Amino acid sequence: KQEVTQIPAALSVPEGENLVLNCSFTDSAIYNLQWFRQDPGKGLTSLLLIQSSQREQTSGRLNASLDKSSGRSTLYIAASQPGDSATYLCAVTTSGTYKYIFGTGTRLKVLA
Amino acid sequence: SQTIHQWPATLVQPVGSPLSLECTVEGTSNPNLYWYRQAAGRGLQLLFYSVGIGQISSEVPQNLSASRPQDRQFILSSKKLLLSDSGFYLCAWGSTGTYEQYFGPGTRLTVT
Repeated sequence: KQEVTQIPAALSVPEGENLVLNCSFTDSAIYNLQWFRQDPGKGLTSLLLIQSSQREQTSGRLNASLDKSSGRSTLYIAASQPGDSATYLCAVTTSGTYKYIFGTGTRLKVLA
Repeated sequence: SQTIHQWPATLVQPVGSPLSLECTVEGTSNPNLYWYRQAAGRGLQLLFYSVGIGQISSEVPQNLSASRPQDRQFILSSKKLLLSDSGFYLCAWGSTGTYEQYFGPGTRLTVT
């Protein structure tokens, strides 16, 4: 059974720092991995999708990497800003299914 | 571009009352559709998903049901609400190619 873990559960950093959020999964037979952002009381916003054949994806200050063999993904945020404060979730879908399994998220606070 | 709508945005219902939450998607055809629940302080729980009209898969036994009467319409229902049904309900659509998921704004349900 696929399980997704995100560490740390919460993170507080000063503005301008580069930071890394971690996501690990137990079954390496994934189809893809998706990173989301959730602001309080809001729906999820898709940030990056990494397909199983890819190693990384970049969008602006965000870079996500995928290492299937070790069951890990990282989300790198460069030059963090207070507007980056949110909960970040990763989710994986396994080959042959349409379902995503979500981690419990990392709550990020960027201090001005 | 694709848009996903959910209504109502918030709902307060007494225990034992019925429920109907609606989700519609614009700008795409034959999407995979999903209902999730996010309880306070907990992760996303997949409730139902659908890969086509009339095709519903249930993930969690409960007093909720889902229907897909049209290609881009997904409805979550209950005949009698329980206190434990309180939570944040999110609808999502998924690309049938990449499986990338996009979420609606959510419905906050409080059962009193």
